[in-house]
Amino acid sequence: SQQGEEDPQALSIQEGENATMNCSYKTSINNLQWYRQNSGRGLVHLILIRSNEREKHSGRLRVTLDTSKKSSSLLITASRAADTASYFCATGDFSGGYNKLIFGAGTRLAVHP
Amino acid sequence: DAGVIQSPRHEVTEMGQEVTLRCKPISGHNSLFWYRQTMMRGLELLIYFNNNVPIDDSGMPEDRFSAKMPNASFSTLKIQPSEPRDSAVYFCASSLLETQYFGPGTRLLVL
Repeated sequence: SQQGEEDPQALSIQEGENATMNCSYKTSINNLQWYRQNSGRGLVHLILIRSNEREKHSGRLRVTLDTSKKSSSLLITASRAADTASYFCATGDFSGGYNKLIFGAGTRLAVHP
Repeated sequence: DAGVIQSPRHEVTEMGQEVTLRCKPISGHNSLFWYRQTMMRGLELLIYFNNNVPIDDSGMPEDRFSAKMPNASFSTLKIQPSEPRDSAVYFCASSLLETQYFGPGTRLLVL
């Protein structure tokens, strides 16, 4: 079953614009991660934010986490055509004795030149 | 660094045949995961190994699926007999800490 639900399901923007994707989840977490998947490829880890953190940056990526609302957002600034991909949030907890990741359905981002 | 290696990249087989998917994790990683991705169900965890030992196989769909990890550098996922509903992309991922590193996947089509 999916823990994280991404919103929107699909996003279409022009190069240079910012892209914001949201993720909501249901249960307590230890960490939340964002992954990118290009068509026909495996998932690539982008950024990890822990439950005691509120914001994290990595290059053009900015991730926020609001544990009171059980939600996270991924902001890609100054988007490029190469950012076209599906983006997944994954929640991790240690309830099973390890960092089991539960992935959402993903947001399909299309960046047009 | 070679990353996670999976083979074959594509597999087309007929219903009832045995299918074996292979994975070589990143050297030094002690955790290995097998996932299945479909349009309908998204990305699902099938099984998790730690130090070559299966820890969580609650996601394995049924007895037709089995996974092994005979050593730290090799794992297999076997489906016997295969069915059309097994058609999906199967990913292997490895990790040392919380971040998982995915292989390119095996696209399986069962006719």
